[in-house]
Amino acid sequence: QSALTQPASVSGSPGQSVTISCSGTSSDVGKYNLVSWYQQHPGKGPKVIIHEVTKRPSGVSNRFSGSKSGNMASLTISGLQAEDEADYYCCAHAGSYSWVFGGGTKLTVL
Amino acid sequence: EVQLVESGGALVQPGGSLRLSCAASGIGFSNSWMAWVRLAPGRGLDWVASVNQDGGATYYGASVRGRFAVSRDNAKNSLFLQMNSLRAEDTAVYYCAFLITEGSNWYFDYWGQGTLVTVSS
Repeated sequence: QSALTQPASVSGSPGQSVTISCSGTSSDVGKYNLVSWYQQHPGKGPKVIIHEVTKRPSGVSNRFSGSKSGNMASLTISGLQAEDEADYYCCAHAGSYSWVFGGGTKLTVL
Repeated sequence: EVQLVESGGALVQPGGSLRLSCAASGIGFSNSWMAWVRLAPGRGLDWVASVNQDGGATYYGASVRGRFAVSRDNAKNSLFLQMNSLRAEDTAVYYCAFLITEGSNWYFDYWGQGTLVTVSS
């Protein structure tokens, strides 16, 4: 399976909103509502921030939200804060207990 | 507190082998699916392998199938990844993670800090 497609980088000023897209196919993003998003700060392991397309784990800020339309998933971060600066990865179930990740998006808070 | 600690990463020559370990604490390891995911320089995350609760079912990404083997020891709360016929493109930080299953919902949670594998001559 091919990696999901994400923009290499996005940026925004504090307080603004940014959206990160994640393009897949009808065999992964489009087929299952099993899209998750992960935040990774330098030197740390990834942290799940969205699962099952829209659900936030306990303790994750409600400034993070997810959505999906067809073969495209999106992560929106509202009210940008300096601590949001990190790499973000989408992930989708691709059938038969397999998984595909995106190439990652570097978020810069200006 | 849930903790996953990977170990075993090293510099290895192409064609060589390496065994990674992951020690888990603070959560029901034996009741959980587990997974290995890697992050290669300049590339995104890449799912490597998953294993079910008793180790009887294993699944692999296309790029490692036939070369890597995932296993677990529930008595020792440990996960392993045996890597054979290593290639330069296997160079990455390898993370272990819980693969959470909540009904029909599946996602990766409680990741470790990773262990670096470098394949080079």
